[in-house]
Amino acid sequence: GAVVSQHPSRVICKSGTSVKIECRSLDFQATTMFWYRQFPKQSLMLMATSNEGSKATYEQGVEKDKFLINHASLTLSTLTVTSAHPEDSSFYICSAKETGFSYNEQFFGPGTRLTVL
Amino acid sequence: TQLLEQSPQFLSIQEGENLTVYCNSSSVFSSLQWYRQEPGEGPVLLVTVVTGGEVKKLKRLTFQFGDARKDSSLHITAAQTGDTGLYLCASGGGADGLTFGKGTHLIIQP
Repeated sequence: GAVVSQHPSRVICKSGTSVKIECRSLDFQATTMFWYRQFPKQSLMLMATSNEGSKATYEQGVEKDKFLINHASLTLSTLTVTSAHPEDSSFYICSAKETGFSYNEQFFGPGTRLTVL
Repeated sequence: TQLLEQSPQFLSIQEGENLTVYCNSSSVFSSLQWYRQEPGEGPVLLVTVVTGGEVKKLKRLTFQFGDARKDSSLHITAAQTGDTGLYLCASGGGADGLTFGKGTHLIIQP
């Protein structure tokens, strides 16, 4: 149980294009999902909190107009990197917290490797 | 945001040896989580510690939470090559995202 998937697992795109990454909770409902970014040899950094049916909350220094987040259902959140540039190349990881579950555990997806040429 | 300091940043040892990695903060943790991450994958939760002085064991891994809840350690006994990975401590959670330490890159050599 508590499986989170991400699609795609890897994506290569040209500079200036937009890329959409999906995060799905497969066997539970998640009112809240989180998006993290991880550069090579570094730790995970929280980018934003995605709440179903409302606007995402972004961490300081993360451009909300560049990283568009949509959480339209209790099992799906999407992150769109708009007008991607090489410096956006990174490993993007989502996590999901089960709705109504008081325990703090977040379940992580397998990550999406984005390479911008 | 709570800052987490992890040490060492890199550690390379021989199979069969023991090791300890540390996670510290200047402020009190409400709870602390340890994760292990392999290259190209998401982190996997190993343990959550909540109570000061708590000790939890997971096979050859022993996790300790400091009495003052400002520090934690992960001890691995008789390390195996399969223990290789990035070990991360994290705090927060609930309605908020997690704050991660910088991690310890562990390599176990055969």
